[in-house]
Amino acid sequence: DQQVKQNSPSLSVQEGRISILNCDYTNSMFDYFLWYKKYPAEGPTFLISISSIKDKNEDGRFTVFLNKSAKHLSLHIVPSQPGDSAVYFCAASLEAGGTSYGKLTFGQGTILTVHP
Amino acid sequence: DGGITQSPKYLFRKEGQNVTLSCEQNLNHDAMYWYRQDPGQGLRLIYYSQIVNDFQKGDIAEGYSVSREKKESFPLTVTSAQKNPTAFYLCASSMWGALNTEAFFGQGTRLTVV
Repeated sequence: DQQVKQNSPSLSVQEGRISILNCDYTNSMFDYFLWYKKYPAEGPTFLISISSIKDKNEDGRFTVFLNKSAKHLSLHIVPSQPGDSAVYFCAASLEAGGTSYGKLTFGQGTILTVHP
Repeated sequence: DGGITQSPKYLFRKEGQNVTLSCEQNLNHDAMYWYRQDPGQGLRLIYYSQIVNDFQKGDIAEGYSVSREKKESFPLTVTSAQKNPTAFYLCASSMWGALNTEAFFGQGTRLTVV
């Protein structure tokens, strides 16, 4: 039972263009969503997050959009750079009464390749 | 430097042997986690611990055991009962009970059964 799904195993983008990575979830109790970036043989590093009370969060070239009614979130990278090439995981966690629980449920990951 | 340290980076185990993966953090985080990564399957939660001397099973706990005797340490033992132990293992930590917190990951241990 995959509660967080990334249906695109890979994405290829030209340098300077926009990369859009998508993620769907099924558990309506998820209240906090995160994106992690991972290089081979390394641990994931936190990229950006969004709380369910928001629909958009920006940090430099990275923007995460949340559509709660559709249970869908997306990560936009503009402009894409070759150094962005990595595996991107979306993750979700639960909040209850304002308390966040760090236990994360991850999607399968999307391999992003940015060509020069 | 604050962070999470996993050791060793590469580990080889013979079939039928138990092996222990180390995870230490100096971030003063309450919660620690073990995930396993397999190709095409993302990260799956093995065990997690919210406080010292307490831990809970994750989604794929069978064949694994953990202990949490110190706040800084959360070792994972892969037992001979784990049918397919070859994988990339990731340890993480986070605050527990803090609003909107993210988990920080170690660099991982690649376990190969030979």
